[in-house]
Formats: sequence, C-alpha cells, structure tokens
Amino acid sequence: GAGVSQSPRYKVAKRGQDVALRCDPISGHVSLFWYQQALGQGPEFLTYFQNEAQLDKSGLPSDRFFAERPEGSVSTLKIQRTQQEDSAVYLCASSPRTSGGQNIQYFGAGTRLSVL
Amino acid sequence: AQKVTQAQTEISVVEKEDVTLDCVYETRDTTYYLFWYKQPPSGELVFLIRRNSFDEQNEISGRYSWNFQKSTSSFNFTITASQVVDSAVYFCALSEASDLGRKLVFGAGTILRVKS
Repeated sequence: GAGVSQSPRYKVAKRGQDVALRCDPISGHVSLFWYQQALGQGPEFLTYFQNEAQLDKSGLPSDRFFAERPEGSVSTLKIQRTQQEDSAVYLCASSPRTSGGQNIQYFGAGTRLSVL
Repeated sequence: AQKVTQAQTEISVVEKEDVTLDCVYETRDTTYYLFWYKQPPSGELVFLIRRNSFDEQNEISGRYSWNFQKSTSSFNFTITASQVVDSAVYFCALSEASDLGRKLVFGAGTILRVKS
C-alpha cells in the first residue's frame, strides 16, 4: 500500500481480555517500530524489528505485551489480560533501511485502545 | 539519557501570524538526529524535517523554517503566515546514532490552534 496501515482503528476491550493489533508497513520497508501514545503525551517506544528479528523490546511495559513479525512484513502487537492503564493509541511506523538514525519513520494512523 | 522538552503545551494564534514552536533536547551522543512531526486530528504522524547533529544550517521550506543551535541544544520550528490548516499537534523527536533500534524519543508535543 501507499502508507502504513493499522487495524482496527478503534478497539474496546473489557479488562482482562486479550487484544491483537495489526500493522501493515510500507512495502519493502525493513524496519518496523511500535509506539504507545497516552492521551496528551508524545509517543513512547515499545519495540523494534529488523525484518523478522525483534532487535529491541526494551520499551514493552510488561510481559503482557508481545509483538511479532514472522515473515518480515506484517506485524502484530498482542496485549494479554488488558488493564485500564493499557488504554492508549498504539502507533506503528516503518522505515526503509536497516541502520542509520537518519532514517525517516513513516507512521500509521494508529489503533485507539480503550480498556473498560 | 536522551530527553526532549517542548515547554509550550498549547499555542493559539490568529491566521497570518508567525508562530515559533520551541524544542530543547538532551543527549550524550555526539551524533544524533532531530525530527519534527505533525499530528493532525486524523492521528497519523506526518514527517516534516530531519536534521543531523553535524549540520547546523538553518532550513526553510515554504512557510516553514527550522533553527538548529547546538550551543543551546535547541531545534525550534517557525511557521510564517500561519493558516487554519496548520492547526495540529507538533512533536519534536530525537534519535541517537548509538541506539541499536534508532528509536525516536518524542517531546510531549505542542498543540497549535490557528483561528481564522
């Protein structure tokens, strides 16, 4: 596709439910990032993939959060046993190259998760 | 540790006014990259500019201009003759070359409201 696509756009979950958020990066982009954006705040890094390898997951807030990118393209962020504090917008970004901080990250519109 | 501070939470201007958004950063790296992103109500972060730490030359793109000053660790963004369509949340971000994932560290954002 032309840009980064995320689905669903909105997700409402009851506390304790598991959720799965999907990200389709720009075709051919090697790097993929997940960020969490709380209301009124800037995005915060969760995890980073280079192709199918998860090279940095230092930002994942707990072991309830799990991300995968099995074929080096589509990625899924899974949150188990959701809690109210998980309510946020989850943003996915992709960039074309493997290294170099100058790479531009292109963002999707995000998934807004509300945990009741 | 890296940090980005956007002290202005919200700015309101009248159309055609000039407005400057402030960004101050902290990093121990000598090689780093600075970014500005725009987040309209649709939620998608839109890339505006990237600057590396070795290039302090100011840049102008249409009504947008950026002033990078290493001496004060600032990377300010000016919109000349603001328009209603400029209304959005603007984020300044930092990426360090020493960071494996090249993650972006964002400021809290500045809400810009341009009134007609």
